Amino acid sequence: ETGVTQSPTHLIKTRGQQVTLRCSSQSGHNTVSWYQQALGQGPQFIFQYYREEENGRGNFPPRFSGLQFPNYSSELNVNALELDDSALYLCASSLPGDQETQYFGPGTRLLVL
Amino acid sequence: RKEVEQDPGPFNVPEGATVAFNCTYSNSASQSFFWYRQDCRKEPKLLMSVYSSGNEDGRFTAQLNRASQYISLLIRDSKLSDSATYLCVVPGSARQLTFGSGTQLTVLP
Repeated sequence: ETGVTQSPTHLIKTRGQQVTLRCSSQSGHNTVSWYQQALGQGPQFIFQYYREEENGRGNFPPRFSGLQFPNYSSELNVNALELDDSALYLCASSLPGDQETQYFGPGTRLLVL
Repeated sequence: RKEVEQDPGPFNVPEGATVAFNCTYSNSASQSFFWYRQDCRKEPKLLMSVYSSGNEDGRFTAQLNRASQYISLLIRDSKLSDSATYLCVVPGSARQLTFGSGTQLTVLP
């Protein structure tokens, strides 16, 4: 186990709704990254947070937003859900100075109907 | 060209076989590379890191060819427990990880 936890494990929403996913990073890890993994694909980078600020963003629209808290835990918010947002959402944390080595949580499986 | 491309798979091999996966990347400035393993409905887990020409860990060998911009993963003496999806990963400019689409391996008894 990596020590990265995510909640909830599964979620069902309908189109147009909003969702908040949560992540607690491994102890001592101050960088958190979020990824979206559609079925049969590799994870796609959404954004990264370092010291409570967004530190890089992938090709995702503004309705995907995030937060990082002083204890380094993080939230991913998605507004105006679309059917294509159905995916596994993964959170990964990394140590200061070693952002390339990332430890993944078990993910939240989101289904949008 | 995609940033990271992998063998399409799937690979179905008998126990004890040797199997190799290839991966190509587009960013010639990349310095480090990773192979992750992902079991069905689980999170990716780091299998190996590659920083120079290659890395070996037991039955697993990763090789890097910078001139041709490809990375390979060789698994010798395959076990049933090796069945998984193998993801080739290249860090991006902001230290985010860029994943290939993965190669599915099934080791058959």
